[in-house]
Amino acid sequence: AQTVTQSQPEMSVQEAETVTLSCTYDTSESDYYLFWYKQPPSRQMILVIRQEAYKQQNATENRFSVNFQKAAKSFSLKISDSQLGDAAMYFCAYVGTGNQFYFGTGTSLTVIP
Amino acid sequence: NAGVTQTPKFQVLKTGQSMTLQCAQDMNHNSMYWYRQDPGMGLRLIYYSASEGTTDKGEVPNGYNVSRLNKREFSLRLESAAPSQTSVYFCASSEQPPVARLPQHFGDGTRLSIL
Repeated sequence: AQTVTQSQPEMSVQEAETVTLSCTYDTSESDYYLFWYKQPPSRQMILVIRQEAYKQQNATENRFSVNFQKAAKSFSLKISDSQLGDAAMYFCAYVGTGNQFYFGTGTSLTVIP
Repeated sequence: NAGVTQTPKFQVLKTGQSMTLQCAQDMNHNSMYWYRQDPGMGLRLIYYSASEGTTDKGEVPNGYNVSRLNKREFSLRLESAAPSQTSVYFCASSEQPPVARLPQHFGDGTRLSIL
């Protein structure tokens, strides 16, 4: 089975600063998707950004961007100009050729005013 | 625009009791999923249904059964609840390929405690 590793259980960032959350994955597949989800205290899972493995260009969504290193199997999330509302649990997720997918264990992000 | 609706939001059961968690989506999605979320474990897939009439096991299916009642509804049943099944359960749905294979819409979760 594929595995997704988030090695940072907790991170903190000053408001308006930039923070990078790391994610690595293990797979033998060449065609797959990677995602970052945000889970605020409300427990709702919110899709932040997605990356198709065949695309070399890193995905960007407003203040959120990824650094996708396919050879290194790394998929980090950069949050620029951090806001208080960014405080949440962030999950990295992988899905390959099947319908099953895999989440990392999450990184809890604290934003310091 | 309800999206994915889960019921109930909270439930306490005694060991050995049975229970069905309900999930319905109004987005005409073909694929639906059940996950459990435990501290330090992320989300783990219990069962999924790629389309109406089909169901498949996920990563942690033991102790659970599912029913894809129709395109809208996907229920999760605990036949004999065990304390190890104490968790937060999420239902989710997704569209057809190429954006399928990962839920993009989640319910609000059900917090289930087994005593």
